[in-house]
Amino acid sequence: LAKTTQPISMDSYEGQEVNITCSHNNIATNDYITWYQQFPSQGPRFIIQGYKTKVTNEVASLFIPADRKSSTLSLPRVSLSDTAVYYCLVGDKGSASKIIFGSGTRLSIRP
Amino acid sequence: NAGVTQTPKFRILKIGQSMTLQCAQDMNHNYMYWYRQDPGMGLKLIYYSVGAGITDKGEVPNGYNVSRSTTEDFPLRLELAAPSQTSVYFCASSDYDRVTGYTFGSGTRLTVV
Repeated sequence: LAKTTQPISMDSYEGQEVNITCSHNNIATNDYITWYQQFPSQGPRFIIQGYKTKVTNEVASLFIPADRKSSTLSLPRVSLSDTAVYYCLVGDKGSASKIIFGSGTRLSIRP
Repeated sequence: NAGVTQTPKFRILKIGQSMTLQCAQDMNHNYMYWYRQDPGMGLKLIYYSVGAGITDKGEVPNGYNVSRSTTEDFPLRLELAAPSQTSVYFCASSDYDRVTGYTFGSGTRLTVV
């Protein structure tokens, strides 16, 4: 199983770009990297998924270096509403049991 | 388009009681999951299913049972509730290759006293 390591918490200010890095040294060839966002009292919400290089959607970018042993979630121009816990998950798309949620990164955005 | 619906939203059980947490999805997803989340912690996988009639254990299956008789429904049964089962329970579903990731329900907050 690919274990992930993320910072426990991060602080930033409105309007800043926030980068959250996840380490996954034993990622397997078939594994994808997926990031989720969770607000209090809600289930996690899918943000972005990638396999290598860079992926961008309307809310975030995901940067994955060539060795794929880490990944960085980039949130452009954050607002107070981006305060949440962010989870990095690594796993084979077709294997349900191998997807493990870690403790996540608690991101706090200040005015 | 309801997504994943969980009932009830809140429940208080006495030690030794039993209950079933309901989960239904309307996206025709093959995969369904049950997670529990303790305060300040990440999610732990209890059980999962890859299709109707097929279920398997996750990280923390003890004290729980599941069934999957239809594609849409994936109930979680707690037998002989214990205080250690106090948690928030999330049901999720996904298509086979999880292109859009998991879709989670809004959770059931369970307290065992």
